[in-house]
Amino acid sequence: QQPVQSPQAVILREGEDAVINCSSSKALYSVHWYRQKHGEAPVFLMILLKGGEQKGHEKISASFNEKKQQSSLYLTASQLSYSGTYFCGTEGGGGSEKLVFGKGTKLTVNP
Amino acid sequence: DAGVIQSPRHEVTEMGQEVTLRCKPISGHNSLFWYRQTMMRGLELLIYFNNNVPIDDSGMPEDRFSAKMPNASFSTLKIQPSEPRDSAVYFCASSLRSQETQYFGPGTRLLVL
Repeated sequence: QQPVQSPQAVILREGEDAVINCSSSKALYSVHWYRQKHGEAPVFLMILLKGGEQKGHEKISASFNEKKQQSSLYLTASQLSYSGTYFCGTEGGGGSEKLVFGKGTKLTVNP
Repeated sequence: DAGVIQSPRHEVTEMGQEVTLRCKPISGHNSLFWYRQTMMRGLELLIYFNNNVPIDDSGMPEDRFSAKMPNASFSTLKIQPSEPRDSAVYFCASSLRSQETQYFGPGTRLLVL
């Protein structure tokens, strides 16, 4: 089942913060976050495994709430280079092994 | 490493023609994934392989689509016959193991007229 991402789009000024959410109706084993710039391939940002951990990558961090079956991506002090579409990919338990991606959140950072 | 290599990068064909997309995964990666991306449906997994064996092809839209992985360094996705609704960007991705980071190739932009 496809995870639901919110918001669908967000526009920021450079230096502002943003949060992107990813929710699933099914129990999750892991959540993967990717960023895709226009005309390019998705690029891996981070993986979060069940256990409620939080991870960081430069000024981009994420959390995973296993009970709520959701993950959030936090972008702090956004830079122009953060512009793109962010996808979460969720993996269910039971050895399903495949990712199901949300429809994406388009982030635009303006000067 | 060169990353995941896909060819062709662009393909324009006419309805009814056979289309073959090619992928070379990152050396040493044991899992390979084929995705299709459209504005309407987003990024959809078509099929994935572990150690050259197809594990899940439930995302393959219909019998017109087939995929093979004859060895660890090469995979093909074939559409025969192609239809305009197959127009999309097709990505190949590979990972060390199926539950780990996936590295995407640059994609093949397919346009079926």
